[in-house]
Amino acid sequence: DTAVSQTPKYLVTQMGNDKSIKCEQNLGHDTMYWYKQDSKKFLKIMFSYNNKELIINETVPNRFSPKSPDKAHLNLHINSLELGDSAVYFCASSRGGSQYFGPGTRLTVL
Amino acid sequence: RKEVEQDPGPFNVPEGATVAFNCTYSNSASQSFFWYRQDCRKEPKLLMSVYSSGNEDGRFTAQLNRASQYISLLIRDSKLSDSATYLCVVFGDEKLTFGTGTRLTIIP
Repeated sequence: DTAVSQTPKYLVTQMGNDKSIKCEQNLGHDTMYWYKQDSKKFLKIMFSYNNKELIINETVPNRFSPKSPDKAHLNLHINSLELGDSAVYFCASSRGGSQYFGPGTRLTVL
Repeated sequence: RKEVEQDPGPFNVPEGATVAFNCTYSNSASQSFFWYRQDCRKEPKLLMSVYSSGNEDGRFTAQLNRASQYISLLIRDSKLSDSATYLCVVFGDEKLTFGTGTRLTIIP
């Protein structure tokens, strides 16, 4: 009964490739998020969607494109991967202030 | 100035001790406040919300001082299982802003 799930858990790829990470929540929440946690463990919001509509885009490069086909899903597509994209990407969902996070996707760009 | 500032630690304390973490935030319009816990290579999980009146959950006590824009977390009778990174989190402008976290290790 995973509340927020992400796939894949690990992603290793070459620089320049395009990859996608999928996220699903079964909590019935209206709002979903993508966060990036870098090597210094700093967790920073990237995007927020409310009921399939983008409400926050925190100066993320255009190579990152979120897509929300319905309010239970928020996927993240990354074009032309760069070394600096290596990080752990967390999906989260919320209703109100507190958020529930997925297990994370550890992306390594070689 | 960072939006949410925490002492990164590490804090190494013996089992059974009391430990306190502090955090300051810069946006006076922030609406809600939380402490999250993150274990190594795991996702952050909500530990507790923080209120001006102070709130307690078992061995954990959280306090908010809006005038000073200061948040605290006190852990009493610390257990080995309390070892983790504790994240101070502020909600405002429709998003959560995380501190860099304070790393705590409880020593047997």
